[in-house]
Amino acid sequence: EPEVTQTPSHQVTQMGQEVILRCVPISNHLYFYWYRQILGQKVEFLVSFYNNEISEKSEIFDDQFSVERPDGSNFTLKIRSTKLEDSAMYFCASSEERGSNQPQHFGDGTRLSIL
Amino acid sequence: TQLLEQSPQFLSIQEGENLTVYCNSSSVFSSLQWYRQEPGEGPVLLVTVVTGGEVKKLKRLTFQFGDARKDSSLHITAAQPGDTGLYLCAGDPGATNKLIFGTGTLLAVQP
Repeated sequence: EPEVTQTPSHQVTQMGQEVILRCVPISNHLYFYWYRQILGQKVEFLVSFYNNEISEKSEIFDDQFSVERPDGSNFTLKIRSTKLEDSAMYFCASSEERGSNQPQHFGDGTRLSIL
Repeated sequence: TQLLEQSPQFLSIQEGENLTVYCNSSSVFSSLQWYRQEPGEGPVLLVTVVTGGEVKKLKRLTFQFGDARKDSSLHITAAQPGDTGLYLCAGDPGATNKLIFGTGTLLAVQP
């Protein structure tokens, strides 16, 4: 069964450094998402992306964050200058179409640790 | 702010018992999705419910969407140790594709 893949599985970065998290969505999916889960807390929506544009973003997704689809397969999340509070699991998801009955399929996440 | 509250937060039961997990909100959702998450892995989709009053069955799991589309329940019959995991409900408020996740129910099924 096709799946969303994320790399790396674990990223350790010094505070203030830039980090790029990578995702390969399911190949025929058109909508892409990033979520994060701080340890012990709920999964939170960050951003959705379609047709090379951000569709929606949350208040968490400030100017330090950006997303890009640099080629036909990868979808990246960049954090420009990391903070301690950016430490979390970051999940990429994709869905085939837009719509409330369209399931979102998640990758296994990247654990980001900021030192 | 739309919130999804799950209950109970933790549940430890013996193999063979039945259980129900609840997902409640004061807001209406266009759909609700149920996921199961294992440690170190991403949420895995179990089911999507869209229509108020809808009931879906997945082997021993029965999912129901409330008539008013504000709540949902997951019932597991004859639980097995393999059912152990974190169960998450997630709602689509509509007109967006973002999911609002619930607080989660951690289930442990003892053999």
